[in-house]
Amino acid sequence: EPEVTQTPSHQVTQMGQEVILRCVPISNHLYFYWYRQILGQKVEFLVSFYNNEISEKSEIFDDQFSVERPDGSNFTLKIRSTKLEDSAMYFCASCPGGLRYEQYFGPGTRLTVT
Amino acid sequence: AQSVTQPDIHITVSEGASLELRCNYSYGATPYLFWYVQSPGQGLQLLLKYFSGDTLVQGIKGFEAEFKRSQSSFNLRKPSVHWSDAAEYFCAVGDYSGGGADGLTFGKGTHLIIQP
Repeated sequence: EPEVTQTPSHQVTQMGQEVILRCVPISNHLYFYWYRQILGQKVEFLVSFYNNEISEKSEIFDDQFSVERPDGSNFTLKIRSTKLEDSAMYFCASCPGGLRYEQYFGPGTRLTVT
Repeated sequence: AQSVTQPDIHITVSEGASLELRCNYSYGATPYLFWYVQSPGQGLQLLLKYFSGDTLVQGIKGFEAEFKRSQSSFNLRKPSVHWSDAAEYFCAVGDYSGGGADGLTFGKGTHLIIQP
């Protein structure tokens, strides 16, 4: 069964550094998402991506964040200058579209900013 | 804006007993509703979904959920829990009124503990 994959599983970075989190959504899915979950808290929506552009973003997704689908299979989230409060689990998800709106999540990348 | 409330932070159930996890949503139109399960250190697995039609939906692992518009609820049930069901359960709502699959709004989750 196809799955969403994410790399790395754990990323440690120093405050102020740039990080790129990578995702490979399920093939043929049309919608892609990033969510985050701060330890012990609920899952929060960051951004959705469709037809090679951002379709929706939350207030969390400020200018420090960007997304890209560089090659038709990968979907990346870049944080330009990490802050301590960016430490969280980041989940990628994809959705088939075409009246099928369920989202399938990857295993997550745990980002630790020191 | 939509919101999801899961009133129970923790629930403890004996193995073999029945389970009901509560979820209430706030949304103007007919929502798309989901239940996800998260085991420790794992991602989110889709248990079941409701888009339209029959208000009682079946999911994986023996779970079911019932959509009640009058109560704005989408409670998750299982007739007999197994120790492997111990996990965090999240209810989520989606807004597709704009014709696209926007981001989900999640509840805070219910931590399910199974007693032997």
